[in-house]
Amino acid sequence: QITLKESGPTLVKPTQTLTLTCTFSGFSLSTSGVGVGWIRQPPGKALEWLALIYWDDDKRYSPSLKTRLTITKDTSKNQVVLTMSNMDPVDTATYYCAHIRYYLETSGYFFDYWGQGTLVTVSS
Amino acid sequence: DIVMTQSPDSLAVSLGERATINCKSSQSVLYSSNNRNYLVWYQQKPGQPPKLLIYWASTRESGVPDRFSGSGSGTDFTLTISSLQAEDVAVYYCQQYYSSPPTFGQGTRLEIK
Repeated sequence: QITLKESGPTLVKPTQTLTLTCTFSGFSLSTSGVGVGWIRQPPGKALEWLALIYWDDDKRYSPSLKTRLTITKDTSKNQVVLTMSNMDPVDTATYYCAHIRYYLETSGYFFDYWGQGTLVTVSS
Repeated sequence: DIVMTQSPDSLAVSLGERATINCKSSQSVLYSSNNRNYLVWYQQKPGQPPKLLIYWASTRESGVPDRFSGSGSGTDFTLTISSLQAEDVAVYYCQQYYSSPPTFGQGTRLEIK
């Protein structure tokens, strides 16, 4: 049974760096084909993909946010960490981590198991 | 990036009636080598994370009721709920996984009439 859970601060100030942790169970990030992604959703708005890390430590970032994002993994702890620098009120959103289902032929993937999400508010 | 556009933005359907949601991609998500469409549908109920409903544009995820079906190919796709139930009230999203970055539609809010 695959589960994921996000943790981190609920409130950050503008210009600060946000650090979120995804703790998961039911799979290993050292297994070929496995990956964990981050997606966010501003209140009342659509989903936006942020970043992804694969079993082999390959990383992908949203082009519009890549200068602000860093994704890392700790396989021994079953955790993935996302940092986002220079936070702004427009970054207020629920942040989700999710397990991917990955297809080698196009490197395409979608999200088959999601955490419950954590709401991060950016305000002074 | 592939842009995903859903229509309508919101929809109200009577219980037991059919609901149809459309999703259009700015370029084809059909991979010719395997003839598969790299498109999924998610359902998001209030206060919950998205739930995977359909992948390959038309394959139901395990446990998803058969009143949910997906169709379409290339750039035009449809999610159909054959007989709307009260528990189907949600926002529905399509997402392409043909190319990176994965991109989502803006969502369609489905309500009871």
